[in-house]
Amino acid sequence: KAGVTQTPRYLIKTRGQQVTLSCSPISGHRSVSWYQQTPGQGLQFLFEYFSETQRNKGNFPGRFSGRQFSNSRSEMNVSTLELGDSALYLCASRREANTGELFFGEGSRLTVL
Amino acid sequence: EDQVTQSPEALRLQEGESSSLNCSYTVSGLRGLFWYRQDPGKGPEFLFTLYSAGEEKEKERLKATLTKKESFLHITAPKPEDSATYLCAVQNQGGKLIFGQGTELSVKP
Repeated sequence: KAGVTQTPRYLIKTRGQQVTLSCSPISGHRSVSWYQQTPGQGLQFLFEYFSETQRNKGNFPGRFSGRQFSNSRSEMNVSTLELGDSALYLCASRREANTGELFFGEGSRLTVL
Repeated sequence: EDQVTQSPEALRLQEGESSSLNCSYTVSGLRGLFWYRQDPGKGPEFLFTLYSAGEEKEKERLKATLTKKESFLHITAPKPEDSATYLCAVQNQGGKLIFGQGTELSVKP
């Protein structure tokens, strides 16, 4: 059974640019969550999507946005990149929203120069 | 405010030296406590879910336990391949998972 797939795995951007990250959940999982991981802050929750609707949101500015498609695949977008956005962005899926364990992908490593 | 605190931040063990990692939490309506293992450059790997005080789960050399305010991850006779960062997370009433900062475990042969 395929796990959570994230693309791209690595990317380098410059300040002011925008970036889109993609996530394909485990087959049968309808909920997708996004997390930002940095050495100083650890894993910080961004948002969770279920059935194409945002169900939960963390404390991040509006530059961070996401969406989910009818096949449960999800994308997140960060606009007007700042140096502090450099991080590992992790996607996780689970069968239902708001309950159960999360299964994580390998992450997308974003470096902002 | 929901909060998870893990200790110690780092732990160095000799192969075969058993120890425990701690996860203390405050949460509005615990709906589950989760343990993950994370290797460098990879996503967290799910280990256990605990739902109620007194519950225990085991997997190979790892055993997780839960009380009303904390959880322990016991590592019995660890091997170098157990070296990783171990993350604890709690799920609150709203379904959100709040993670601790992790314990970085190093097991030397």
